[in-house]
Amino acid sequence: GESVGLHLPTLSVQEGDNSIINCAYSNSASDYFIWYKQESGKGPQFIIDIRSNMDKRQGQRVTVLLNKTVKHLSLQIAATQPGDSAVYFCAENIFSGGFKTIFGAGTRLFVKA
Amino acid sequence: GAVVSQHPSWVICKSGTSVKIECRSLDFQATTMFWYRQFPKQSLMLMATSNEGSKATYEQGVEKDKFLINHASLTLSTLTVTSAHPEDSSFYICSARESSLRAFFGQGTRLTVV
Repeated sequence: GESVGLHLPTLSVQEGDNSIINCAYSNSASDYFIWYKQESGKGPQFIIDIRSNMDKRQGQRVTVLLNKTVKHLSLQIAATQPGDSAVYFCAENIFSGGFKTIFGAGTRLFVKA
Repeated sequence: GAVVSQHPSWVICKSGTSVKIECRSLDFQATTMFWYRQFPKQSLMLMATSNEGSKATYEQGVEKDKFLINHASLTLSTLTVTSAHPEDSSFYICSARESSLRAFFGQGTRLTVV
């Protein structure tokens, strides 16, 4: 079902360090997962996606890991930069009369210079 | 890449009036469009799914008579907040999908009801 976060958890990292943002999803039948970045006052921006037949996918400076056994998703950002400061959401496509994208609670990432 | 545009970016309206928000897919035909609402420091909550030429499907707890959705063409969906009240003040975001699994998001509309 839908996930609503009342207070976003926060991750604070030093510039240049690696960041790991975690997410738990609810629907074991979901087969497509996406990570989004949202800056203040803007819509979500696509970062990376992964299908359920994979357990790892890499992009530019980002890696997504999927553990279907425990229904866990993580986003790793290498060499975190101040411009990476934002709220990060994991999302899953669920099928309910058609595919729809449901968002997780989100994590706020602060990058300290 | 695919671009989804929302208009207006922000709007202030008086309590009791109606407000229309437009969502356009600029370079692709969107068979399905989605409307989300986001309150401060919270996640995006799906309000409804609309398919071109058919009635929207609303999520549980979302009043269909209050949030009117029209998806008359493959590139345009509108959300009308009727008889708006201060508690309707929120950030409304649309997304659009062609045929793939991935949806593309608009930049959002900040609605303030005074």
